[in-house]
Amino acid sequence: QVQLQESGPGLVKPSETLSLSCAVSGYSVSSAFSWGWIRQAPGEGLEWIGTIYHRGRTYYNPSLKSRVSISLDTSKNQFSLNLTSVTAADTAVYYCARDTGRPSLGLILFDIWGQGTMVTV
Amino acid sequence: QSVLTQPPSVSAAPGQKVTISCSGTSSNIGNNYVSWYQQLPGTAPKLLIYENNKRPSGIPDRFSGSKSGTSATLGITGLQTGDEADYYCGTWDSSLSGVLFGGGTKLTVL
Repeated sequence: QVQLQESGPGLVKPSETLSLSCAVSGYSVSSAFSWGWIRQAPGEGLEWIGTIYHRGRTYYNPSLKSRVSISLDTSKNQFSLNLTSVTAADTAVYYCARDTGRPSLGLILFDIWGQGTMVTV
Repeated sequence: QSVLTQPPSVSAAPGQKVTISCSGTSSNIGNNYVSWYQQLPGTAPKLLIYENNKRPSGIPDRFSGSKSGTSATLGITGLQTGDEADYYCGTWDSSLSGVLFGGGTKLTVL
């Protein structure tokens, strides 16, 4: 059974960097598929942050691209999110999720999600 | 404001049927697949429909999806109080090279 678990500080100061990790169990992040971060501000909808593929290629939300980086750590079987220069607008629940689709085919599907972690700026 | 447009809310009585629309453009829904997610209060989203109309294992056939042109629709029959949730459509946008989610629709089962 594949499971994802987010971890990281729940409080980040303005202008600092938000760093989160997503530990994956039951599947190797280097095997296949891709791994994404999605956030949800209080009372708002889902916002895609970015995705990293098992071979390392990344796609980022254009509105966040200048501040975001996502990386894989195959030794720990996890992937991470860094978001720089945060403001109050970055306060949200951050979810990590597995995407078994293929954008080259126009197919996106986040089939497994972490429980989410609340980050307050 | 989301690029994918969903009605903010829909409602229906238990046992009835409801549809939720998701409208986009040729760069997203029109030429890519749509997925749907259910988010129960206080929980993470859950995949309901993928590739426009396919259901993952464990999703009852009361849930269905369809796509026509630049719009997609989620249908739920035999409504239950446990279906009360927020529903989101999602797709790839070829122009943005990124994932889009709709603004979400809150389903109330009266």
